[in-house]
Amino acid sequence: NFVLTQPHSVSGSPGKTITISCSRSSGNIASNFVHWYQQRPGQSPTTVIYEDFRRPSGVPDRFSASIDSSANSASLTISGLKTEDEADYYCQSHDTNIVVFGGGTKLTVL
Amino acid sequence: QITLNESGPTMVKGTQTLTLSCTFSGFSLSTSGVGVGWIRQPPGKALEWLALIYWNDGKLYRPSLESRLTITKDTSKNQVVLTMTNMGPVDTATYYCARRVRHGDFDYWGRGTLVTVSS
Repeated sequence: NFVLTQPHSVSGSPGKTITISCSRSSGNIASNFVHWYQQRPGQSPTTVIYEDFRRPSGVPDRFSASIDSSANSASLTISGLKTEDEADYYCQSHDTNIVVFGGGTKLTVL
Repeated sequence: QITLNESGPTMVKGTQTLTLSCTFSGFSLSTSGVGVGWIRQPPGKALEWLALIYWNDGKLYRPSLESRLTITKDTSKNQVVLTMTNMGPVDTATYYCARRVRHGDFDYWGRGTLVTVSS
């Protein structure tokens, strides 16, 4: 089994860019897809990035993601921050017989 | 249009068994690659994957809870059922069901159902 570690919180001002990291404790981050979810208070999670870097239709291109094999981590970047981006963000991946969510990162848009 | 809807008790007592149903529409669990999973979220805490069942009846469970969980499907009713035995206060959470195709993301989620466990 492995763990996905995210920072508890990040913050940024409107118009700025933030990055949320997701570090995998064991196993190769690049071996299994990483997905990212946004969860606003009181709502169900929705996908903002799937399969490492793909954006579902309707998700603005301000959202992007990447994999860093050397650091064994994934990153979600949100540029041109808007107040509506304030939410919790979760990374998720899997291995042969397990699905793992990161601990979540609270994004505050100041 | 794909929808999923969780149903079950809102409150259970400690040591009881929880049974939750996920009734879905807009897709079939007999389609190759399709799965339905259960994810829970204690109040103010992170998402926690619990179980997953696939079109071919393949099942995956969270290792730490495997002895307490059972997931089943009824393809004709478009329904997935999760049972969790020996419930305790730490199991108080919103329980979500969600669709997953192969190793993709959970692309459609239900609204979730809050289950409170009293001691």
